[in-house]
Amino acid sequence: TQLLEQSPQFLSIQEGENLTVYCNSSSVFSSLQWYRQEPGEGPVLLVTVVTGGEVKKLKRLTFQFGDARKDSSLHITAAQPGDTGLYLCAGPSFGNEKLTFGTGTRLTIIP
Amino acid sequence: GAVVSQHPSWVICKSGTSVKIECRSLDFQATTMFWYRQFPKQSLMLMATSNEGSKATYEQGVEKDKFLINHASLTLSTLTVTSAHPEDSSFYICSASYGYTFGSGTRLTVV
Repeated sequence: TQLLEQSPQFLSIQEGENLTVYCNSSSVFSSLQWYRQEPGEGPVLLVTVVTGGEVKKLKRLTFQFGDARKDSSLHITAAQPGDTGLYLCAGPSFGNEKLTFGTGTRLTIIP
Repeated sequence: GAVVSQHPSWVICKSGTSVKIECRSLDFQATTMFWYRQFPKQSLMLMATSNEGSKATYEQGVEKDKFLINHASLTLSTLTVTSAHPEDSSFYICSASYGYTFGSGTRLTVV
């Protein structure tokens, strides 16, 4: 079974600060996705990283896929209240399209 | 982009009754859809894989006779929670494999 552990589980910071969320596994993934979920809604895909060592930027968000494709990180620069939400990493199982979700990081940005 | 519509967004039902949740792909055909369950403050747990024209594949520990899945067309999968009990209260989310697009979720409360 492929497991994805996220850290921290909870994070509450002031607006304008920077933060990093980690997603770790002992298994290799062909790709990893990052999602943000608002209360009462489904997850929304932010990015997919595919190549080991890949770095993708989405405005103030920077996503990195580990060289060994076992881990990923999400860095947010100058966090804003609109960044508040549950951040989830997820990866597909080899041979099928089933997604394994990480344990989640609940982020709160304080104005 | 790919859009998945889920209905209803919330439902309250009495213990012992059945509830049907619909998941539709609006602008593409989905041969495979996935059903997830999410408890408060937790991540998403895959319940089953819905395959068009064939039986669903259930994850370990998920009662297939309680959570009936039907995927009769390329654009519609349904999840029926039969003989619902309060412990079935949860947030149910569907997704289509294409683009890893998620529905907006259904909040089920069994009273």
